[in-house]
Amino acid sequence: GAGVSQSPSNKVTEKGKDVELRCDPISGHTALYWYRQSLGQGLEFLIYFQGNSAPDKSGLPSDRFSAERTGGSVSTLTIQRTQQEDSAVYLCASSRIIDQPQHFGDGTRLSIL
Amino acid sequence: DAKTTQPNSMESNEEEPVHLPCNHSTISGTDYIHWYRQLPSQGPEYVIHGLTSNVNNRMASLAIAEDRKSSTLILHRATLRDAAVYYCIRGTYKYIFGTGTRLKVLA
Repeated sequence: GAGVSQSPSNKVTEKGKDVELRCDPISGHTALYWYRQSLGQGLEFLIYFQGNSAPDKSGLPSDRFSAERTGGSVSTLTIQRTQQEDSAVYLCASSRIIDQPQHFGDGTRLSIL
Repeated sequence: DAKTTQPNSMESNEEEPVHLPCNHSTISGTDYIHWYRQLPSQGPEYVIHGLTSNVNNRMASLAIAEDRKSSTLILHRATLRDAAVYYCIRGTYKYIFGTGTRLKVLA
């Protein structure tokens, strides 16, 4: 289907390594969002993009986290020097315009050893 | 941003209606009320949203209190496939998820 696609679906890495998580939004969706879901917890907002700019980065937990979006489409969430507390499912969503319902991907399950 | 308040869990018999309540007493005038549901190992799935008036779609109905401090998601005939965690969310672009209601549907 033409839903939000995230890759990889699972990622296992060693503490201290950098990781990149990718999100392909639904074609034509101008807004893109990243969330994190820790085990047994609800979803936590990280950042959102309108086009290629990120007006709200308030949810990024630390300066080890960064995200970019290019061409108004694909987005990458990068975590540097990973820590065990970064283990979670990272979810991406997109919407046609801001304030419209968000459509979520199935997430990337990140495990830090 | 204040989270919404929902019961931790609910049960329903198959083919019966289900009413899932949500309190959002601090909602602002411009906040929409969104409902999503999540199955294990999947991302949240959009169910319905509204601002002031009651809303209906093919999946469910949303009843919003006149003062907008609470709302109820109504599944008209629960099926086994409706078993999921249901999240009530208030907001615009920055969804604030609570812990949701785990709905169990009994055959």
